[in-house]
Amino acid sequence: DTAVSQTPKYLVTQMGNDKSIKCEQNLGHDTMYWYKQDSKKFLKIMFSYNNKELIINETVPNRFSPKSPDKAHLNLHINSLELGDSAVYFCASSHLDREQYFGPGTRLTVT
Amino acid sequence: EDQVTQSPEALRLQEGESSSLNCSYTVSGLRGLFWYRQDPGKGPEFLFTLYSAGEEKEKERLKATLTKKESFLHITAPKPEDSATYLCAVLDSGQNFVFGPGTRLSVLP
Repeated sequence: DTAVSQTPKYLVTQMGNDKSIKCEQNLGHDTMYWYKQDSKKFLKIMFSYNNKELIINETVPNRFSPKSPDKAHLNLHINSLELGDSAVYFCASSHLDREQYFGPGTRLTVT
Repeated sequence: EDQVTQSPEALRLQEGESSSLNCSYTVSGLRGLFWYRQDPGKGPEFLFTLYSAGEEKEKERLKATLTKKESFLHITAPKPEDSATYLCAVLDSGQNFVFGPGTRLSVLP
């Protein structure tokens, strides 16, 4: 069974488009996260979310928004895509303060 | 602001040649230090959590240790399948996770 899954694995789109990445976890965790890994492989947290609180990294543009329909899902919506948004996006989940389990990543390419 | 640095940036070892990776951190109220392994094209895979100075954890050829300023990941007699990027991350008192840039390890047969 896949613990944290993401779809799609690859996403190629043009500048200005709006896109979404889906994430699901079946671990029963209470907290989910989105990370961006740039071309230098640096992992930077974008959001952390549990059913009580959304914590946003202040450097994340407001074109990015997380949406959580329930505790097992945290989707990432991106509006007006820009070239600089090209990266690999990882979803993760954990019990608060414990180790995180990561999904396989979504490679986003903006042309 | 929390900072996590890792050294070396890249490390090449011969199979069986033991070595250590370093993770240095400055953090406001450490709640945990985490080690992950990342293979190309995959998500980070959890290895260890350390919570307090003096703590040690072991798994197969890997051993992680923690002091008040840094953590070491010791690799004993590595094999080619240990080749990966090893990431260190800290969790601070404000519930913030901060990752280091990673050490890219290559183990040659």
